[in-house]
Amino acid sequence: AQTVTQSQPEMSVQEAETVTLSCTYDTSESDYYLFWYKQPPSRQMILVIRQEAYKQQNATENRFSVNFQKAAKSFSLKISDSQLGDAAMYFCAYTNAGNNRKLIWGLGTSLAVNP
Amino acid sequence: EPEVTQTPSHQVTQMGQEVILRCVPISNHLYFYWYRQILGQKVEFLVSFYNNEISEKSEIFDDQFSVERPDGSNFTLKIRSTKLEDSAMYFCASRESHQPQHFGDGTRLSIL
Repeated sequence: AQTVTQSQPEMSVQEAETVTLSCTYDTSESDYYLFWYKQPPSRQMILVIRQEAYKQQNATENRFSVNFQKAAKSFSLKISDSQLGDAAMYFCAYTNAGNNRKLIWGLGTSLAVNP
Repeated sequence: EPEVTQTPSHQVTQMGQEVILRCVPISNHLYFYWYRQILGQKVEFLVSFYNNEISEKSEIFDDQFSVERPDGSNFTLKIRSTKLEDSAMYFCASRESHQPQHFGDGTRLSIL
């Protein structure tokens, strides 16, 4: 069975600095997708970034980028130039490339941004 | 930008009662999902729905739960005979083929 592990329950970063959130996963599949979702205090679930396993190039979305290491089954999220609005719970999630694509979630990392 | 809409935002129910959580997926999406997040715990998959039938359900999704797409727009989760441990945030999500899931804002269910 696939699993997702986030080993950092809490992280903090100074405003304008860079922070990296860690995620590892376990799967025997070769084709899959990985995601980072942000959950602010309002409890919405917002897609931050996604990575297709067949792509070697790391995904980027403005200040957000990932370091995808397929062999190591590692998928970290880097947030550059951190802003106060980045404070939230961040979840790493995995899905197979099949039709169903249910998401399997990590426990989350709570990110605090200090002014 | 189109959104997934969930109602109500907060539902308070007495233990043993039935609740129906409602979702309006994005109109051209074909795949629908329900997830649950108990406070302080991880998000858990409940059920997926495609082509008017359940495509997969988790161990959590027992006979107490059911889903329905009663018309062309709504997607509902019914919980019968609610228990205290059903208190959680319930998220609906939908997606197009080969695209990521888009989530609603969730319904906070409180069982008293």
